[in-house]
Amino acid sequence: DAKTTQPNSMESNEEEPVHLPCNHSTISGTDYIHWYRQLPSQGPEYVIHGLTSNVNNRMASLAIAEDRKSSTLILHRATLRDAAVYYCILRDGFSGGSQGNLIFGKGTKLSVKP
Amino acid sequence: KAGVTQTPRYLIKTRGQQVTLSCSPISGHRSVSWYQQTPGQGLQFLFEYFSETQRNKGNFPGRFSGRQFSNSRSEMNVSTLELGDSALYLCASSWAGTGLEKLFFGSGTQLSVL
Repeated sequence: DAKTTQPNSMESNEEEPVHLPCNHSTISGTDYIHWYRQLPSQGPEYVIHGLTSNVNNRMASLAIAEDRKSSTLILHRATLRDAAVYYCILRDGFSGGSQGNLIFGKGTKLSVKP
Repeated sequence: KAGVTQTPRYLIKTRGQQVTLSCSPISGHRSVSWYQQTPGQGLQFLFEYFSETQRNKGNFPGRFSGRQFSNSRSEMNVSTLELGDSALYLCASSWAGTGLEKLFFGSGTQLSVL
């Protein structure tokens, strides 16, 4: 099962950009890279996902390396509300729905200082 | 559109008992997946159901089981509870469970086993 590696924790200052890295050296050609975040006492919420090209949405940007073995979630201006655990996971997009054993790992705990 | 609803929100059981947790997916979603979250192990995949059939299963003992009904609502059951089963149990839904889609998570059921 494809696995990702993330730093345990990162710190940022409010209103500064944050780059959260994720390594996925065993990614397969049909795996989508998904990012979710979990605020305290809540279930994870979707942030962004992509396959090969960089992606942008209102929450964040996703930069995917050319070889797809790593990616970076970019929060352009961190706010206190962005303090959460961020998970990078791989999900097979073309298997007809069978996702196999999804591996979340422990994610990166982002702290944002005012 | 209502989100993913999990009931109950909190549950206290004693060792040896069994427990049933419920998850109502977003209307129209046919894939429901379950996760166990503990401080030590992080978020771990339990199983996924699609159209009343279990499609994938994580590495958990047979005491953990689940089912899905024709209206896509899902239940998970844990029999012969152990202290180590104390955890936050999360469910997530999506339309077809493919990697192209976002996962929508509920707020979870916090299970405490005494």
